[in-house]
Amino acid sequence: QKEVEQNSGPLSVPEGAIASLNCTYSDRGSQSFFWYRQYSGKSPELIMSIYSNGDKEDGRFTAQLNKASQYVSLLIRDSQPSDSATYLCAVLLGGGADGLTFGKGTHLIIQP
Amino acid sequence: EPEVTQTPSHQVTQMGQEVILRCVPISNHLYFYWYRQILGQKVEFLVSFYNNEISEKSEIFDDQFSVERPDGSNFTLKIRSTKLEDSAMYFCASSIGQGVGYTFGSGTRLTVV
Repeated sequence: QKEVEQNSGPLSVPEGAIASLNCTYSDRGSQSFFWYRQYSGKSPELIMSIYSNGDKEDGRFTAQLNKASQYVSLLIRDSQPSDSATYLCAVLLGGGADGLTFGKGTHLIIQP
Repeated sequence: EPEVTQTPSHQVTQMGQEVILRCVPISNHLYFYWYRQILGQKVEFLVSFYNNEISEKSEIFDDQFSVERPDGSNFTLKIRSTKLEDSAMYFCASSIGQGVGYTFGSGTRLTVV
């Protein structure tokens, strides 16, 4: 059974600091990994995707993947109050027709 | 920026009634999906659709659910004989290719009373 685990939080981070969000997954065959941001009552919004081991940077966001440890993380630098949201880790086992398996999400609070 | 459009935004229905949730995926996307999120819980995969047929479905997607792409633009989810536990936010998503991040619609909040 495919499982994606995240600490539900809340994770409280001061404005301007680095927020670190973590995710582990159970299926070693997982191919693609995504971070979504979800504001309360809204739909998931894609932040980052990562497909190979290592780091991938996009603006203030860095995704890190370690397939050997089955671990994905998201770093948010210079955190802003607008970053306060729930961050969802999602994993795709195979090709595009497969469904994403989501974690429950980490609730991030950026304190002004 | 292209969007996935869902209608209605909120639907209230009586238990046992049929509902149809509608979606217009991004025009050049090839893969279409339905997900649901019960309040306070994780986003759950229901079904994927490619080349005019179901590609994969989860255990949730039982005989009371069906999907259809009746024309070149719409993608619908039908729930026959709704139950109280079907109350959730239903998200449509689409993607252009394999393994590429999906774009989610704004969702339909279904309330079964």
